[in-house]
Amino acid sequence: TQLLEQSPQFLSIQEGENLTVYCNSSSVFSSLQWYRQEPGEGPVLLVTVVTGGEVKKLKRLTFQFGDARKDSSLHITAAQPGDTGLYLCAGEGSSNTGKLIFGQGTTLQVKP
Amino acid sequence: SAVISQKPSRDICQRGTSLTIQCQVDSQVTMMFWYRQQPGQSLTLIATANQGSEATYESGFVIDKFPISRPNLTFSTLTVSNMSPEDSSIYLCSVGTWGDEQFFGPGTRLTVL
Repeated sequence: TQLLEQSPQFLSIQEGENLTVYCNSSSVFSSLQWYRQEPGEGPVLLVTVVTGGEVKKLKRLTFQFGDARKDSSLHITAAQPGDTGLYLCAGEGSSNTGKLIFGQGTTLQVKP
Repeated sequence: SAVISQKPSRDICQRGTSLTIQCQVDSQVTMMFWYRQQPGQSLTLIATANQGSEATYESGFVIDKFPISRPNLTFSTLTVSNMSPEDSSIYLCSVGTWGDEQFFGPGTRLTVL
């Protein structure tokens, strides 16, 4: 069974600080996605990484896919209160069924 | 990206009753999925909704409890049957195609008393 371990599960920081969220597995994933979810809404896709070693940037957010495609990280620079939310990593397994396996999620609170 | 709507957005139900949740997409999609998100937790896949055939359920989920229909490529329903308080969750549908991103509906927040 493929599992994704996401850490930390909770993070409370001050505006302007940097943070990194990690997503790790012992299994290889064909792709990995990062989502952000706000209360009362469904998850919204931020990025998909497909190639081992890939780095993608989305304004202050930097996403990296591990060389072996078993892990990923999300780094936020100079966090803002608007970044507050639940961050989820999700991987599509090698079985190519389209099914996603989700990490436990990271609840981020950025205080002004 | 696809635009996905769900009905109802929330409901409060009595123990022992059933609720059917609808998921409508604004374009034809290959794959539709149903997820459950228990309070404060991540998403767990319930099943893949297959057009024209029986849904494919994940371990721990059965058709008698969560019957699913998918009559065409833009619509699916999930029924939560014989509800108990443990079924209180957010239920989300998502759509996607092989190798592409998945997009999620806004979710249905269910409270069972």
